[in-house]
Amino acid sequence: DSGVTQTPKHLITATGQRVTLRCSPRSGDLSVYWYQQSLDQGLQFLIQYYNGEERAKGNILERFSAQQFPDLHSELNLSSLELGDSALYFCASSVSGLVGDTIYFGEGSWLTVV
Amino acid sequence: QQQVKQSPQSLIVQKGGISIINCAYENTAFDYFPWYQQFPGKGPALLIAIRPDVSEKKEGRFTISFNKSAKQFSLHIMDSQPGDSATYFCAASMKLEGGKLIFGQGTELSVKP
Repeated sequence: DSGVTQTPKHLITATGQRVTLRCSPRSGDLSVYWYQQSLDQGLQFLIQYYNGEERAKGNILERFSAQQFPDLHSELNLSSLELGDSALYFCASSVSGLVGDTIYFGEGSWLTVV
Repeated sequence: QQQVKQSPQSLIVQKGGISIINCAYENTAFDYFPWYQQFPGKGPALLIAIRPDVSEKKEGRFTISFNKSAKQFSLHIMDSQPGDSATYFCAASMKLEGGKLIFGQGTELSVKP
């Protein structure tokens, strides 16, 4: 158990809808990351937060947004969902969000868009 | 270039054999190279990591070999066991971009008894 908690574990929704994925980082970790894993794209970095502030941005679509709250939990919002958004979404956390940190991954949220 | 290229895509090894997975990168600003192991239904977990000022790092049966001039690094799993069957990802990150990891495409390792 990495200590990173993600909910929900599985989600099925229709195209055009909006979903929110939630993440609680490991106790003491200030940085949160979101990754998308799919068969064709592999593990893609979406966005990173440190103590509530956005630190780095990857290939995150404009339809997607995220935030990290004062209690350090994070949410990833996916809107106007398309079939191609079906993927496994991972949240990860680390202590300082700096290079060399061990990054701990949650077990992921499976999103299926039908 | 932000890519990390990983090969092979899949690997079958007999129990007790050596598993070797290779990665290559272009951006010389990368300065941290971890390997992650992922079992089905689980998130990736850090296995071993190396900095570019070191040519080799060993932890138990797992060794990273790093060739800075060639911009390549590899994971060697000695005495491979069926329990090592998993997907392995190499990754890279750089100071300028904080802790974010750029992952290779992954190698699915199957160790046959």
